[in-house]
Amino acid sequence: KAGVTQTPRYLIKTRGQQVTLSCSPISGHRSVSWYQQTPGQGLQFLFEYFSETQRNKGNFPGRFSGRQFSNSRSEMNVSTLELGDSALYLCASSPQLAASASEQFFGPGTRLTVL
Amino acid sequence: QQQVKQSPQSLIVQKGGISIINCAYENTAFDYFPWYQQFPGKGPALLIAIRPDVSEKKEGRFTISFNKSAKQFSLHIMDSQPGDSATYFCAASSRNYGQNFVFGPGTRLSVLP
Repeated sequence: KAGVTQTPRYLIKTRGQQVTLSCSPISGHRSVSWYQQTPGQGLQFLFEYFSETQRNKGNFPGRFSGRQFSNSRSEMNVSTLELGDSALYLCASSPQLAASASEQFFGPGTRLTVL
Repeated sequence: QQQVKQSPQSLIVQKGGISIINCAYENTAFDYFPWYQQFPGKGPALLIAIRPDVSEKKEGRFTISFNKSAKQFSLHIMDSQPGDSATYFCAASSRNYGQNFVFGPGTRLSVLP
């Protein structure tokens, strides 16, 4: 089975721009969770989508949004980028809701740099 | 109450030694405690996990010890190898709480040859 794929792997943007990141979960997995990883804050939960519906949301401003398509692929959007948004954005998939599953499978991440 | 505390922040161990990483939580609703291993440039990968109905789980060189009353759990890596050098994250989640995984801040382990 192919693992979780994320595109692009690297991205450089400037302040004020917006960005869209993509995640393809493992085939058959219906849950996609997004995390932000920074040296200072560690791994922080952004949101989880299951069957095209947002099921959980972390403590991030409304500039961070996402969606999930009928094939379970997910996109994450960040509008009006700030320098502090520079981070590794990780996507994780699981067959059920993440908290009910035995394991989340992480992708390699998208490294976003905001200049 | 949502935090998971992890220590030490970094750890240096000689090859063949034992690496011990500790985590503590406050939310008694947590019922699943995984450990993730992350190599540079990669996403975290599940190493081993435990539920609170057991006090210890062992998989190969990796052991989780769980103390429910103290709300602490730890990862022991026996016979540490240079290939174990990575960042380790503990995490916690609850099926009933509806909250996704909460991660500790991570421990950077370096195993010297």
